[in-house]
Amino acid sequence: EDQVTQSPEALRLQEGESSSLNCSYTVSGLRGLFWYRQDPGKGPEFLFTLYSAGEEKEKERLKATLTKKESFLHITAPKPEDSATYLCAQGDTGRRALTFGSGTRLQVQP
Amino acid sequence: EPEVTQTPSHQVTQMGQEVILRCVPISNHLYFYWYRQILGQKVEFLVSFYNNEISEKSEIFDDQFSVERPDGSNFTLKIRSTKLEDSAMYFCASRGGVANTGELFFGEGSRLTVL
Repeated sequence: EDQVTQSPEALRLQEGESSSLNCSYTVSGLRGLFWYRQDPGKGPEFLFTLYSAGEEKEKERLKATLTKKESFLHITAPKPEDSATYLCAQGDTGRRALTFGSGTRLQVQP
Repeated sequence: EPEVTQTPSHQVTQMGQEVILRCVPISNHLYFYWYRQILGQKVEFLVSFYNNEISEKSEIFDDQFSVERPDGSNFTLKIRSTKLEDSAMYFCASRGGVANTGELFFGEGSRLTVL
């Protein structure tokens, strides 16, 4: 069964304290590795798609990277408004649906 | 910016009642999805819909569930006889055409509470 595992479950940072979130995936025919942000009571908001090992994408303080077995979401000098749950999801060549991980709940304190 | 819209934002119903959740996907998108998220748990896939038919469904999507695209804009999820365990946030999502292999765009969700 396809699995997506995210760590840590929760992360508390001080404003300006950089860190990384991890996502490991198991599917062999990866159609894409997706990162979403989810605020409480809201729908997931798309951040990045990565398709091949070595690929990197950046948006403001966030950078996503991909290897053959995992992806990292690096947060540089975070601000309180970056507080949210960050979800990782994988697609595979055999299915049309995305499989989501449990998410990392990030809290950035001023 | 185009967005997926869902109604109602919150619905409370009695066990055994029928519920219809409505979604208006992004207008030029071709693939439509329903996901659900039980409080504190993962976002789970229910069903995908393309070219006026179901293209894939999960084991959660049993005979109590159905989807429909009654006109050119709406996409609905019907739960025929709700159970307590159907209480969750239901998200509609859409994505672009065949050439677009990428991201799903999600709505804000419909919170269903079954009493």
